[in-house]
Amino acid sequence: DTGVSQNPRHKITKRGQNVTFRCDPISEHNRLYWYRQTLGQGPEFLTYFQNEAQLEKSRLLSDRFSAERPKGSFSTLEIQRTEQGDSAMYLCASSPEERTHRANYGYTFGSGTRLTVV
Amino acid sequence: SQKIEQNSEALNIQEGKTATLTCNYTNYSPAYLQWYRQDPGRGPVFLLLIRENEKEKRKERLKVTFDTTLKQSLFHITASQPADSATYLCALDTGGFKTIFGAGTRLFVKA
Repeated sequence: DTGVSQNPRHKITKRGQNVTFRCDPISEHNRLYWYRQTLGQGPEFLTYFQNEAQLEKSRLLSDRFSAERPKGSFSTLEIQRTEQGDSAMYLCASSPEERTHRANYGYTFGSGTRLTVV
Repeated sequence: SQKIEQNSEALNIQEGKTATLTCNYTNYSPAYLQWYRQDPGRGPVFLLLIRENEKEKRKERLKVTFDTTLKQSLFHITASQPADSATYLCALDTGGFKTIFGAGTRLFVKA
């Protein structure tokens, strides 16, 4: 296992198109998070899964955004009818349930998907 | 409202010196605080976590302090090296599952 993998690394799309990103977490981690990061800002929380259950969604996640984690493995984040304001780096992170492990190792982030909406 | 503030201006220091980065927060009662390093175009990488009942934690050349009265954490890199140049993010966790990140401070270490 080489860590959290995100695909694609870069995506350029025209305004109004739909895009989908994929995240493959570390296989032993049952917690998965999506964050969005714009230039000069820290990551902003979007949503969280424990196994296949989506337990929390940020107000940043408008109706155009949907995330899934079928079977508690990989996750997808879809943005419908993209807008220029959606341009950002979309980061996925995973962590185990076990609190001591999280305390020692924090979250493991992927390298992100950079979305540019033109 | 809840807020996390890190030095917005970049920090420039000479190789070998100690870099000190500040993280201040308001209207939070974090169970613990994390520090991450982020290089351009990459995701954050976890460095250290300190709990609310801990005053200080060290890992190699890194030291973190946590003052819940001042609502402040300091992050120190001793004997800094050019390879330490990056953006450093502090993140607050209230014990649930949502971690809130600061905007980060860019550190430049000159040889």
